[in-house]
Amino acid sequence: GNSVTQMEGPVTLSEEAFLTINCTYTATGYPSLFWYVQYPGEGLQLLLKATKADDKGSNKGFEATYRKETTSFHLEKGSVQVSDSAVYFCAPSTGRRALTFGSGTRLQVQP
Amino acid sequence: DTAVSQTPKYLVTQMGNDKSIKCEQNLGHDTMYWYKQDSKKFLKIMFSYNNKELIINETVPNRFSPKSPDKAHLNLHINSLELGDSAVYFCASSHSDMGRSTEAFFGQGTRLTVV
Repeated sequence: GNSVTQMEGPVTLSEEAFLTINCTYTATGYPSLFWYVQYPGEGLQLLLKATKADDKGSNKGFEATYRKETTSFHLEKGSVQVSDSAVYFCAPSTGRRALTFGSGTRLQVQP
Repeated sequence: DTAVSQTPKYLVTQMGNDKSIKCEQNLGHDTMYWYKQDSKKFLKIMFSYNNKELIINETVPNRFSPKSPDKAHLNLHINSLELGDSAVYFCASSHSDMGRSTEAFFGQGTRLTVV
C-alpha cells in the first residue's frame, strides 16, 4: 500500500520567513501527489497537486515538485503569512485507491 | 452550494449508544470515502465506495457499517459506541478518471465525543 512521511511539527516561523515542509512517500505504481491544508476547525482543502514526474504544482504562493527519483514532494513558500497557519498534509494516490494521509505538519506563523 | 456536506457537525453521546453520520455530495462524483482523524491529527481511511460498491474496507471494527443508498450519499452507522471512537470523521468524494483517482473534496467533519 501507499504511505507518506512528513516532518513532525509544529513548525514555527516568523512572518515572511521561507517555508519548507518535507514529504517522502512510498506507493505502488505511479501515484499522483497532493498537498492538502486544514485550517482550524475545518475540513481539508486541496492546496496543489502534481500527476507526473518533474511536474510542479503551485497555488497561493506554495510550490511542490514531483521528484520520482527521490520519491519526494516537498512543499515550499517564499514568504509565509500568519494566515498560512494550519496543518498541511501530503498524500499520494494510486489508481482508484483513496488518498493516503499521515499526521500532517502543523505550521504556526507568528507576527 | 456546499459540495460535500455532513450532518451533524457535532455529536456527543454515551458509551453503548448507536449513532449515524450522514454525508451527501452534489459534485456528481462516483467515489466517496470516510476518514477518521484522531486527536493528533492523524488521518486514516476507513471506507471507500465507488458507484455504491465497497472498494476499500480498512481494518475497522465491524461496529462501523457504511451504507451507500446512491452515488451521492454515504452514511456511517456506528453501533455500541466506545470511548476510543471519539474523533473527527470526515466524508470525502472524488471522481475516478480512467482508473485514476482525482483530487478529493472533503466535508467539514463531524466531531464525535463519546462520554
